[in-house]
Amino acid sequence: EVQLVESGGGLAQPGRSLTLSCSASGFTFEDYAMFWVRQAPGKGLEWVSAISWNGGTKGYADSVQGRFIVSRDNSKNSLYLQMNSLRPEDTALYYCAKDGGGVGATGLHYWGQGTLVSVSS
Amino acid sequence: QSALTQPRSVSGSPGQSVTISCTGSSSNVGGYNAVFWYQQHPGKAPKLMVFEVSKRPSGVPDRFSGSKSGNTASLTISGLLTEDEADYYCSSQAGAYTWVFGGGTKLTVL
Repeated sequence: EVQLVESGGGLAQPGRSLTLSCSASGFTFEDYAMFWVRQAPGKGLEWVSAISWNGGTKGYADSVQGRFIVSRDNSKNSLYLQMNSLRPEDTALYYCAKDGGGVGATGLHYWGQGTLVSVSS
Repeated sequence: QSALTQPRSVSGSPGQSVTISCTGSSSNVGGYNAVFWYQQHPGKAPKLMVFEVSKRPSGVPDRFSGSKSGNTASLTISGLLTEDEADYYCSSQAGAYTWVFGGGTKLTVL
């Protein structure tokens, strides 16, 4: 059974940093592209970042480009999102999701339950 | 990375059909077959309903069907059930390793 478990969320002050983690199990992690998607309270889904199966290709939304860094450790079956220079508008539930293929063009077939990030002074 | 445009809400009665549109541009929906639809019930994680414009993951009923014409994708749900009441989001590749979501559509089954 595919499982994705996010962690690392919490309360952070504007300008500070947080690192989210996503622990994966139930599939061959190194074969699949992985995504971060967020949802602000009461709002819609927003794509944040994606990383290919081997970490060689990464993409970011304009809203986080230059502030967030996505990475993965295939030996640990883990995905990460380092979030720097946090802003109040980064407040959201952050989902980790698994693509159906290695490069990220076949849809997010599995999702975690999310980890909540709140940015406030 | 402009969000894709969806109607804020649609409604239908049990047994009827509804169609949700998703309008983008040649830079996203019109330029890629990587177009997806997700269903989200309140308090739950999204669920993939359609991928690559019109394919259904295993377990998704064939009442859900996707299509695309030009820069607009559509999700049609036939034989509406009360359990179909949820938020629906379209998504598309929007460039070299970038993606975009629509604003979401609330489906009410009357």
